[in-house]
Amino acid sequence: DTEVTQTPKHLVMGMTNKKSLKCEQHMGHRAMYWYKQKAKKPPELMFVYSYEKLSINESVPSRFSPECPNSSLLNLHLHALQPEDSALYLCASSPRTGAASPRDPQYFGPGTRLLVL
Amino acid sequence: AQKVTQAQTEISVVEKEDVTLDCVYETRDTTYYLFWYKQPPSGELVFLIRRNSFDEQNEISGRYSWNFQKSTSSFNFTITASQVVDSAVYFCALSEARYSSASKIIFGSGTRLSIRP
Repeated sequence: DTEVTQTPKHLVMGMTNKKSLKCEQHMGHRAMYWYKQKAKKPPELMFVYSYEKLSINESVPSRFSPECPNSSLLNLHLHALQPEDSALYLCASSPRTGAASPRDPQYFGPGTRLLVL
Repeated sequence: AQKVTQAQTEISVVEKEDVTLDCVYETRDTTYYLFWYKQPPSGELVFLIRRNSFDEQNEISGRYSWNFQKSTSSFNFTITASQVVDSAVYFCALSEARYSSASKIIFGSGTRLSIRP
């Protein structure tokens, strides 16, 4: 079952709000990812967690704060966002098969469409 | 530097026509992995295929086929007898073996494919 779930599907928030995006997978994958995708653009990598530890942060502003409570869950905490942060936020996971992990395909969730007013 | 180029921004064909999506990549690594993903209007990226840099065999899966040519650094995707359900944005992507901590994918800009009934 190659399923990654994300909640909520849609989110509207003001610039002073605090909200969280949630991602869950039950495929036993040990790498999880957050991407941001603007309209008509490819996904841009934000964060990578490997074995519940943050391994890549693509210089993302601190108003985005990731958290990996366990191997199945990935959160993205949002605070004081700007209107330009409005986008589709995609979560993905991959098996992380040791040194060969670059060959692992990533499996994506349906995304959260975020609108910042 | 690594790069993935999808020169075709948009393609529109009539149903049942064959269509080829082009992908050209750049990398200095000798070991790398190429992927194709499909993103329908719902937003979720769907993994279609992975190809290793040392395996130049072409692959066919139903109406889909992939042509990998290292000599021209291309990994093209052909849909035979296209159907309306094939309408989506298709991304070609590259993953390099240097990123051993996780699978870091570089996406092309995508090709929006529209199949007209």
